[in-house]
Amino acid sequence: GDSVTQMEGPVTLSEEAFLTINCTYTATGYPSLFWYVQYPGEGLQLLLKATKADDKGSNKGFEATYRKETTSFHLEKGSVQVSDSAVYFCALVVVRGGGNKLTFGTGTQLKVEL
Amino acid sequence: KAGVTQTPRYLIKTRGQQVTLSCSPISGHRSVSWYQQTPGQGLQFLFEYFSETQRNKGNFPGRFSGRQFSNSRSEMNVSTLELGDSALYLCASSSATSGSGELFFGEGSRLTVL
Repeated sequence: GDSVTQMEGPVTLSEEAFLTINCTYTATGYPSLFWYVQYPGEGLQLLLKATKADDKGSNKGFEATYRKETTSFHLEKGSVQVSDSAVYFCALVVVRGGGNKLTFGTGTQLKVEL
Repeated sequence: KAGVTQTPRYLIKTRGQQVTLSCSPISGHRSVSWYQQTPGQGLQFLFEYFSETQRNKGNFPGRFSGRQFSNSRSEMNVSTLELGDSALYLCASSSATSGSGELFFGEGSRLTVL
């Protein structure tokens, strides 16, 4: 079946540090890839997405590139802020008989300190 | 435009009881999905409805059921509650008919089973 593996957290960084959160996937089919973010006490929000190999998704200074050869979709940001503290989920969807069934990774908590 | 609304936000039940959770999607969205979020298992897909029909189903026992109404509002029901059903239940809606993976999540209903 489909699965997503992402690095364990929590990840603690100082403000303005560089962020990388690793994500790899397995899928039977050609998936679209996503990063969702969950701020404390809130539901998930779509952060960025990529639908085909070598696509780069970007939003709010975050970027991730769809690497088919390594089945990866690592999240990066050049300079994190305290407001980026949240839980980040990597996810995929494979269009298979219709629907929007997302498979999520376990989430990585990011804490950014001053 | 109003977001996804879930009610109730918090509830406490005892083992053996049943519970019904409600979700109002974003206006115009016809796809509604439900996910269970727990610290141990992460985000697990429950089911998805589109135009009142269940389009996808996750690997949950028959105690978990759902439905969608003609106005796209959805409910999920859990019967004979167990301690392990304690979780945050997230509803998500989508305007896409299939496979976009772009979901809009509500803030969730936090269920505690005693």
